[in-house]
Amino acid sequence: AQSVAQPEDQVNVAEGNPLTVKCTYSVSGNPYLFWYVQYPNRGLQFLLKYITGDNLVKGSYGFEAEFNKSQTSFHLKKPSALVSDSALYFCAVRDTGGGKLIFGQGTELSVKP
Amino acid sequence: GAVVSQHPSRVICKSGTSVKIECRSLDFQATTMFWYRQFPKQSLMLMATSNEGSKATYEQGVEKDKFLINHASLTLSTLTVTSAHPEDSSFYICSARAQGVGYNEQFFGPGTRLTVL
Repeated sequence: AQSVAQPEDQVNVAEGNPLTVKCTYSVSGNPYLFWYVQYPNRGLQFLLKYITGDNLVKGSYGFEAEFNKSQTSFHLKKPSALVSDSALYFCAVRDTGGGKLIFGQGTELSVKP
Repeated sequence: GAVVSQHPSRVICKSGTSVKIECRSLDFQATTMFWYRQFPKQSLMLMATSNEGSKATYEQGVEKDKFLINHASLTLSTLTVTSAHPEDSSFYICSARAQGVGYNEQFFGPGTRLTVL
């Protein structure tokens, strides 16, 4: 069965510092991986995806993620955090059967000035 | 970019009443729409997958007679919570997947906050 794990419930970062939000996955076959961000009382906004190709994927708002097959990870990164990046972040993998998304537990990112 | 809307954004109802939530893809045709519910600070739980013109596929543990899903057109899916009770209070989010280009992506609506008194 496909699954995604986000080991950290919360990540705290000072503004201007680099940030990493961790995600590991378990799939059979090639993974389709996604990152989404959710602001309070809002739906999810797409950040980036990995389907195939370069392991480093660049996305919206300066975010990027690195696909690491040997470590089965897809960590989200940003070189310099902004206070406005504070939100809930979800990693997801697309189920190879029906195409539905399987989400991680979510990581709350807090960026302090 | 692809836009998905939900209506209403917020609804408060009395216990025992039914509530309908609409999900529309505004600038693309969605062959498949997904309905999720989310509790505070928790992940999204998939409730059901709906394909245009056919019956929805419900996830294990989701009561299909309580959560009625209709996907009558390529741009509209509805979720009706029948005989709502306080434990149905939650944030309901839909997403839509496009035909053809962008097939691998789901586009999410802004969510509907349901409060059952």
